[in-house]
Amino acid sequence: ETGVTQSPTHLIKTRGQQVTLRCSSQSGHNTVSWYQQALGQGPQFIFQYYREEENGRGNFPPRFSGLQFPNYSSELNVNALELDDSALYLCASSLSFQTMNTEAFFGQGTRLTVV
Amino acid sequence: ILNVEQSPQSLHVQEGDSTNFTCSFPSSNFYALHWYRWETAKSPEALFVMTLNGDEKKKGRISATLNTKEGYSYLYIKGSQPEDSATYLCALRDAGNKLTFGGGTRVLVKP
Repeated sequence: ETGVTQSPTHLIKTRGQQVTLRCSSQSGHNTVSWYQQALGQGPQFIFQYYREEENGRGNFPPRFSGLQFPNYSSELNVNALELDDSALYLCASSLSFQTMNTEAFFGQGTRLTVV
Repeated sequence: ILNVEQSPQSLHVQEGDSTNFTCSFPSSNFYALHWYRWETAKSPEALFVMTLNGDEKKKGRISATLNTKEGYSYLYIKGSQPEDSATYLCALRDAGNKLTFGGGTRVLVKP
């Protein structure tokens, strides 16, 4: 077990709706990153939060947004859902800007299906 | 922009055989290379963090090497067991702590 928990484990939404995914980071970790894994591909970086501020963003539109809370847990929000948003969403926690051996620990993911 | 390729996409291995597969990258402009093992319905499990050219890491029957000059890392599994069946992901970590993943190698060990 990595200590990173995500909720819900899976959900189904209708195109155009909004969704919020949640992640509790491993104890002591101050950085949370979100990744999208579409079928047949490796995980793609969405964005990263460090001490409650966005600290890096991948090639995703603004309708993908996030939050990090004082306890370092995080949310990923997606507005105006599209069919192509159907994917597994992974959360990873780590200690940022530490040694070169810094490791990221992943949750089990949330499977989002948009119909 | 980091680019990571993994090959093969999938392979079948007979139990007891050894195998290896590749993570390749055209640029050495990264801080570390990570290997993850990912079983279905579980979270990706960290295997190795590799940081130096010529780095070698070992964990039980699994080992990895890194050659930043030639642009590749190999993951080796010695004496494959059914529990080694998983997708193995390679990722490069940049200065901003972002991971860029390859597409993974799916390993199926047949009893």
